[in-house]
Amino acid sequence: ILNVEQSPQSLHVQEGDSTNFTCSFPSSNFYALHWYRWETAKSPEALFVMTLNGDEKKKGRISATLNTKEGYSYLYIKGSQPEDSATYLCACRDTGRRALTFGSGTRLQVQP
Amino acid sequence: NAGVTQTPKFQVLKTGQSMTLQCAQDMNHEYMSWYRQDPGMGLRLIHYSVGAGITDQGEVPNGYNVSRSTTEDFPLRLLSAAPSQTSVYFCASSYRSTGASSGANVLTFGAGSRLTVL
Repeated sequence: ILNVEQSPQSLHVQEGDSTNFTCSFPSSNFYALHWYRWETAKSPEALFVMTLNGDEKKKGRISATLNTKEGYSYLYIKGSQPEDSATYLCACRDTGRRALTFGSGTRLQVQP
Repeated sequence: NAGVTQTPKFQVLKTGQSMTLQCAQDMNHEYMSWYRQDPGMGLRLIHYSVGAGITDQGEVPNGYNVSRSTTEDFPLRLLSAAPSQTSVYFCASSYRSTGASSGANVLTFGAGSRLTVL
């Protein structure tokens, strides 16, 4: 079982603030790292998939980076909006098993 | 396309009862999986399948059975429900990886099934 950790557990920011969260995972046998966005009463939806060290992905105001050598990924949100309020999940897969292990998530609340 | 369909959405069971959570996808995804979501614990993998006739255990498989007789369906069976199985269950599917260079596959989730065991 992979140990995937996310920090912080929760975050409250004001509208317009930029913020970032961390996902840590074992660097050995790394295969892929996913980020999902999970709004209350909905299902998780994929944001990014990254596989290579140094990968950077961007979707609008949200971006992510990947460091496989040290085993971490950052998710950045620029100019947070109330609609960004959600739980952000990262998930990791190694080369040993074709299954994603999720972290416990970072819950973001953006105050208008 | 319906995507990933889970039924029922809500279910209340008594301890010791059995039931099956249904999951069906119409995207020709080879990979299917079941997760449970508990407060403060994120999503924990119960069982998964990389194709029809193939299943494997996840992190928390005890008390659950699965089978994959078709590509489309991946039911989760609770053999003898316990209060510890009170949770929200998510089914998720994806295309099969063709190799390391193709990257891992994005999961498409169902709407979830909320189960309460009294």
